[in-house]
Parts: sequence; C-alpha cells; structure tokens
Amino acid sequence: AQTVTQSQPEMSVQEAETVTLSCTYDTSESDYYLFWYKQPPSRQMILVIRQEAYKQQNATENRFSVNFQKAAKSFSLKISDSQLGDAAMYFCAYRSGSGANSKLTFGKGITLSVRP
Amino acid sequence: DTGVSQDPRHKITKRGQNVTFRCDPISEHNRLYWYRQTLGQGPEFLTYFQNEAQLEKSRLLSDRFSAERPKGSFSTLEIQRTEQGDSAMYLCASSSPSGRGGEKLFFGSGTQLSVL
Repeated sequence: AQTVTQSQPEMSVQEAETVTLSCTYDTSESDYYLFWYKQPPSRQMILVIRQEAYKQQNATENRFSVNFQKAAKSFSLKISDSQLGDAAMYFCAYRSGSGANSKLTFGKGITLSVRP
Repeated sequence: DTGVSQDPRHKITKRGQNVTFRCDPISEHNRLYWYRQTLGQGPEFLTYFQNEAQLEKSRLLSDRFSAERPKGSFSTLEIQRTEQGDSAMYLCASSSPSGRGGEKLFFGSGTQLSVL
C-alpha cells in the first residue's frame, strides 16, 4: 500500500519570503501522480500543483514549484513570495497511474502561517 | 461550472440516529468520490463511483455506511446508528477521467458531522 508522510506539522514564513514544505512517499509503482492541495479555513480542498512521475521536469505554477526526487521518493513544495492568502493547511497526495485504482492517498498535512 | 455542492454544511445528531448527506458533482463529471477527514488529519478515502456504479469501497466503510449514486448524478452517503467516532468532515469530490490517474479532482466544502 502507498503511504504519504508529512513530518512537519506546522511551518511559518514571513510575508514575501520563500518557504518549502516537505513530503515523502512510499510506493512500489513506477507510474503515479503526486499532488499538493491547499485547504483554507473554508475547508474546501484546492489543487495547487500536480507532478507526473514519468516527467523529470519539476512542475511549476506561478509562485508554486515542486522539487520531485523520484529515487528518494521526495516531493517538496516551494512557495515563493509568500502572501497572507497562502496561510492554510497543505496536503501532499499520491495517486496511482493505473486507472484501476483512482483514489488519492493524503498525508496528514502541514499548517502554514504567514507573518505580515 | 457551479462547483461541487454538499448539503448540509453542518449536521449535529445524537448517537444512534441515522444521517444522510448529499453531494451534487459538477454536471459533466462522471466520477464521484467520498472522503472523511478528522481534525488534524488528511482526508481518507471512503468510496468512489463511476457514473452510477460504485467501483471501490474502503475498509473504513463499515456496514453502517452506505453510498448511492442513482442515475449517475448526485450521490448520497448515509450513516446508520451513528457513533461518536463518526464525527468528522465528509468531503465529496468529482472529476472527469483523463484515461490515466492524473485528472483534477474538484472538492466540495464538506459536511461537518458532530455526533453527541
């Protein structure tokens, strides 16, 4: 079974600074997807960024980028130029590339606070 | 795109009562998922539907839980004889399959259940 581990329960960053959120995972599959979701106080999960395991290039979405290390099974999220609206819980998630298993497996999440 | 809608937003019930939640997915999405999230944890997969067919159920889904998706549109999740351990946020998500595992899931705002 796949597992996702987020070992940092909380992080804090100064507004306009850069912060990196860590995630590791365990799988025996070679074809899979990794995601970072944001959950603000409204509780609605919002997709931040997605990485396909067979792509070596790290995904980037505006101020958000990932550092995907497939051999190390590491998938960290970097937030540049942090904004007050980035304060939320962030969840790392794994999904098999096989269409037969479509569920997302989430980590426990990390609470990010942004200091003005 | 009106988003994924869940009703009610909050439900307070007494132990032993039955409760039913509703999820209306994005209209063109044929996949629908239910997740459960407890405080301080990531969402845990419960079940998913493709159209009206329930294709996977987690072991978390005891025989007190039942989910339906008649006609492949909205879905209901019923919990019978509720227990205090059922207190959680119940999240619904929908997606349109991309043929692989990387399609984007759209989440609703969840139903917060409190069992007294």
